[in-house]
Amino acid sequence: QSVLTQPPSASGTPGQRVTISCSGSSSNIGSNYVYWYQQLPGTAPKLLMSRNNQRPSGVPDRFSGSKSGTSASLAISGLRSDDEADYYCAAWDDSLSTYVFGTGTKVTVL
Amino acid sequence: QVQLQESGPGLMKPSETLSLTCTVSGGSIANYYWTWIRQPPGKGLEWIANIYYSATRYNPSLKSRVTISVDPSKNQFSLKVRSVTAADTAVYYCARGTGNGYELDYWGQGTLVTVSS
Repeated sequence: QSVLTQPPSASGTPGQRVTISCSGSSSNIGSNYVYWYQQLPGTAPKLLMSRNNQRPSGVPDRFSGSKSGTSASLAISGLRSDDEADYYCAAWDDSLSTYVFGTGTKVTVL
Repeated sequence: QVQLQESGPGLMKPSETLSLTCTVSGGSIANYYWTWIRQPPGKGLEWIANIYYSATRYNPSLKSRVTISVDPSKNQFSLKVRSVTAADTAVYYCARGTGNGYELDYWGQGTLVTVSS
């Protein structure tokens, strides 16, 4: 069982804003950077957000990240059909001494 | 453009040792954290280990059975998993870690390893 909890699913219509939460603890999100990965169907994950809220080169500014205390969130604005994917948060966990991924959220564009 | 390519056996029997190799092209293997992650079919991601030069870090849940190594002369790094069981069936990804090692900015396409008798 992952120590980072995400909602299993999220959905919206094209153009809408969708937010995905990632809940952790003081040993992971509370004291380390959060990363977000996007996994399109049948492909490898792709780094979507770095160090809580830094977009890697090439990631559209429709994607934004934030962190507060022991929780983090990823927002997708102007939702598009090609945003349909699984999204995972991740962070180092000081207590477990391992990098942990969230449970994953499947985003569906209605 | 950095590219990573995993190679592995595909199908294995329980109790065997899994050997995976990741070949890095388009960049040097120096100065980065080289990482293995796996994903059981239909499930989430699990970080296995990383290596930075000769320094290694392992997921404690797998540490007793895995070894990560790097061969700079071949621009490759490898993973061995001993005594595999059906629970080790997964797509295995290699990835490059930058920054503190946990910013996984380049990934291989993944290789499916199935453990079955």
